[in-house]
Amino acid sequence: AQSVTQLDSHVSVSEGTPVLLRCNYSSSYSPSLFWYVQHPNKGLQLLLKYTSAATLVKGINGFEAEFKKSETSFHLTKPSAHMSDAAEYFCVVTAGNMLTFGGGTRLMVKP
Amino acid sequence: GAVVSQHPSWVICKSGTSVKIECRSLDFQATTMFWYRQFPKQSLMLMATSNEGSKATYEQGVEKDKFLINHASLTLSTLTVTSAHPEDSSFYICSARDSGGPSTDTQYFGPGTRLTVL
Repeated sequence: AQSVTQLDSHVSVSEGTPVLLRCNYSSSYSPSLFWYVQHPNKGLQLLLKYTSAATLVKGINGFEAEFKKSETSFHLTKPSAHMSDAAEYFCVVTAGNMLTFGGGTRLMVKP
Repeated sequence: GAVVSQHPSWVICKSGTSVKIECRSLDFQATTMFWYRQFPKQSLMLMATSNEGSKATYEQGVEKDKFLINHASLTLSTLTVTSAHPEDSSFYICSARDSGGPSTDTQYFGPGTRLTVL
């Protein structure tokens, strides 16, 4: 069994300030972990993924995430938020054919 | 690369009609595709796993006869909502895994189809 918890349903930051979106997971297997972004009325776009290589994963648009096995966490960060980053973000765990989504975090960016 | 398309992007229909949604992998082959449903401000809910050349695997609580899935080729899966009712109104999203790619655990998502049943 596996589960994903995104600790914040909403995060609000000012433009130019750092972003932190938190994700904790549990899995009976060695999982692969992903972050996806969804803009309104759009599908999901892959930001980055972790598949047991480097624990610090760099993605698109300046995002990165660090896999911490001891903390079962895979938090998403960005040094400086842009207005265009405002969207819904999903942390996803997959093992075999099983894909489990977190509840999502809505990121709001204030000018 | 790894683009998934859906058609139509938005459909409005009358109650009782059937609606077919197509999901295509444009530049890769996908033996497995997935269909999700998303309610407003909620996460995605997996409805079924579509397997090329065989029957789909439905999640618990999803009516097989209501949501017909066909995966006739390595690049196309279809979801037909039969006898649609207003409660079927939702955002339907498909995803596909690249069967021949280096990372078979990555799913690529389509842009979604918004279904509104009047």
